[in-house]
Amino acid sequence: QKEVEQNSGPLSVPEGAIASLNCTYSDRVSQSFFWYRQYSGKSPELIMSIYSNGDKEDGRFTAQLNKASQYVSLLIRDSQPSDSATYLCAVTLNQAGTALIFGKGTTLSVSS
Amino acid sequence: EAGVAQSPRYKIIEKRQSVAFWCNPISGHATLYWYQQILGQGPKLLIQFQNNGVVDDSQLPKDRFSAERLKGVDSTLKIQPAKLEDSAVYLCASSQRVAGEQYFGPGTRLTVT
Repeated sequence: QKEVEQNSGPLSVPEGAIASLNCTYSDRVSQSFFWYRQYSGKSPELIMSIYSNGDKEDGRFTAQLNKASQYVSLLIRDSQPSDSATYLCAVTLNQAGTALIFGKGTTLSVSS
Repeated sequence: EAGVAQSPRYKIIEKRQSVAFWCNPISGHATLYWYQQILGQGPKLLIQFQNNGVVDDSQLPKDRFSAERLKGVDSTLKIQPAKLEDSAVYLCASSQRVAGEQYFGPGTRLTVT
């Protein structure tokens, strides 16, 4: 059973702080990793993808991947109240027939 | 570039009735997915198409759910008969390639009473 685990939260940070969201996955063959943001009542929105070990930065977002530890994280710098949402970690295998496997999501609350 | 389109956005039906959802993927995206998202959970794959062929339907409750993508573009997901536990948001997503970045439509919120 392939699983993706996330702390459900809520994770509460003050405005301007760094929010750190973590995700572990069970299948060592996992090759592609994604972070989605989902506002209440909305559909998931892709914010980051990462495919190789190390860091990937995009604006205020940094994704970190450690395949040896089966761990992927998302850092949000200078957190804003508009970042308050549920963040979903998803993994997939680079094989035909494999779609995204999602975690349950971590709820982030940024207070002003 | 237009995103993934879905309709209807909301649907309320009684148990044992049937319902159908429609999805139009991003132009040029060969891979199309249907996910079910129950409140408080991450989306769960129901079925994956590559062009008009089924790649993965292992989690589709085939006694009541069916899906098709006849011309390799639009897709329809049907539930017949519906059960109370089918109340969820049904999300359609598409990607250019298998295991690539997936983009979601707005979803259809189904309530079964």
